[in-house]
Amino acid sequence: GENVEQHPSTLSVQEGDSAVIKCTYSDSASNYFPWYKQELGKGPQLIIDIRSNVGEKKDQRIAVTLNKTAKHFSLHITETQPEDSAVYFCAASLNRDDKIIFGKGTRLHILP
Amino acid sequence: DTAVSQTPKYLVTQMGNDKSIKCEQNLGHDTMYWYKQDSKKFLKIMFSYNNKELIINETVPNRFSPKSPDKAHLNLHINSLELGDSAVYFCASSPRTVGYGYTFGSGTRLTVV
Repeated sequence: GENVEQHPSTLSVQEGDSAVIKCTYSDSASNYFPWYKQELGKGPQLIIDIRSNVGEKKDQRIAVTLNKTAKHFSLHITETQPEDSAVYFCAASLNRDDKIIFGKGTRLHILP
Repeated sequence: DTAVSQTPKYLVTQMGNDKSIKCEQNLGHDTMYWYKQDSKKFLKIMFSYNNKELIINETVPNRFSPKSPDKAHLNLHINSLELGDSAVYFCASSPRTVGYGYTFGSGTRLTVV
């Protein structure tokens, strides 16, 4: 089955700097890659997603890149703000399967 | 109007008891899920229902039994609760069976003492 690895597990960046979270997946048939943000006491919230026919997608300060050959995908957050502090999860799913497999999460701290 | 709502938000119970968690979505989605999040924040799928039909049943003890009376509701019943069942349980829904993101509820924190 699919396996998603996520790094780093914890990331601290100065407010205003950029943050990058990286993930790899094992099943080359995976074709959908969502990213979720989980704030304290809340459920995960979808913030951006990318499909396998696209190499990059951007939404304001958030961007995701996908390298299908290397089976890598990354989340980039620019001009970080205090409200970006949260746990971020990458995930992957296969077209033939009905489940999203999550990475183990990255706790992002934005330092004042 | 909450899109995916779970009740209760907190549940503290003794070992051996039976408890239920309810989930409702008003998004018109066909597919609903239960995920378990452990103390290390790891999210693991438990069950998936599409239009009231069970389509995923991961390696979950049979003490856990999901029930979907209609496509807007997915409940989780747990028998003979054990200490290791303590976790946060999330319900989620999706418009399609594959290739679409989920909308999660706010979770039910279950503590077994």
